[in-house]
Formats: sequence, C-alpha cells, structure tokens
Amino acid sequence: KQEVTQIPAALSVPEGENLVLNCSFTDSAIYNLQWFRQDPGKGLTSLLLIQSSQREQTSGRLNASLDKSSGRSTLYIAASQPGDSATYLCAVRGESQAGTALIFGKGTTLSVSS
Amino acid sequence: DVKVTQSSRYLVKRTGEKVFLECVQDMDHENMFWYRQDPGLGLRLIYFSYDVKMKEKGDIPEGYSVSREKKERFSLILESASTNQTSMYLCASSSLPGELFFGEGSRLTVL
Repeated sequence: KQEVTQIPAALSVPEGENLVLNCSFTDSAIYNLQWFRQDPGKGLTSLLLIQSSQREQTSGRLNASLDKSSGRSTLYIAASQPGDSATYLCAVRGESQAGTALIFGKGTTLSVSS
Repeated sequence: DVKVTQSSRYLVKRTGEKVFLECVQDMDHENMFWYRQDPGLGLRLIYFSYDVKMKEKGDIPEGYSVSREKKERFSLILESASTNQTSMYLCASSSLPGELFFGEGSRLTVL
C-alpha cells in the first residue's frame, strides 16, 4: 500500500531564505504527484502538478521536482515571505489508479518570520 | 477558475442527527471525492465517485454514505451523527486523471 511521508513536520525560517520541502513515497509506480498549500481552517489550494513523465514544474517562486525511481519529490521555495506561512502537502496518484483518489502525506507546516 | 463549493462552512449537530454535506463543482469533472481531515491523522478518503450514480468506498466509509445524482453535485450523508465524526470535511473534484481541486471545507461539530 502506498505511503507518503513528509519530513520535517514543521519548519521555521527567516524571511528571504530559500528552502526545500521533502516528500517521499513507497511505491514508485505513480501516475502523478501534486503539491498543495493549506492555510489554517481552509481547504487545500493546488500549487503544482507533476506528471510521472516530467522531472519538474515551476510556478513563480515555486519549483517542484520528481524522481520516481527514488520515490522522492521536493518543493523549492525561493526568497520566502511571511505570506508563505502555511502547511504544504504532497499527494500521489497510483499508476494503476488513474481515475481514483490521491494518497496524501501529513504535511510540513512552514513558518516564515519577518 | 475551477470552483468547488461546499454548502456549509460550519455546522453544529447533535448526536443521532442526520447530516447532509453538499458539494458542487463547476468544471464538468468526472471524479469527486470526500475526505476528512483530523490533527495527526492527515487527510483520509471517505468515498469517491467517478461518474453519476457511481461510488467507491475509500479508507474510512463506515458511518457515511454518499449520493451523486447529477455530475456537478456530490453529497456526503451521516445517517446518525456521532461525536467521533467531529472533523473537517473536504470535498474535491478532478478530471480523469488530472489536477485535484478542493472546496473550502466544512467544519462539523457533533455534540
């Protein structure tokens, strides 16, 4: 059964720092991987979707990479800002389950101080 | 922009009440999902639907049922609410098998 792990569970950085959030998954047969952001008490906002054939995706200050063979993805945030403070979750969809649900990690809670 | 709308942001119900959580999406997505989110447990899948009138159990379907009579609407039903169903409920939709989009969530408290 697929398991998704995000380490660390929490991270605090000063404003302006570049940082990397990690996501690992146990079954490399994935269809795609998606990164989300969640603010307290709110729903999840999609940040980036990486298909299994892709190595990375970029959106603004965010860059997500995918290494299927090692079961890892990273989310790189450049020049962090206090507004980036949130919980970041990654989720994978299995290769044989293209039409079904994503499996989520428990998230990394990021705090950026000014 | 994709819009997934959950009818109620906050609900307070009594034990034993029947509870309906409604979700509507405006992107003609085939797939719709209900998750619950609890501290320390993360997001857990309750049910999903890949077509009208079709449904599949997720990891924790006990105590819940769902209804999908129209493509844009997916309802979660708690037949007899219990205190251990106090949680944040999140609805999501996607095309097959594209990006997943979430609603704002429904915070349910069962007293």
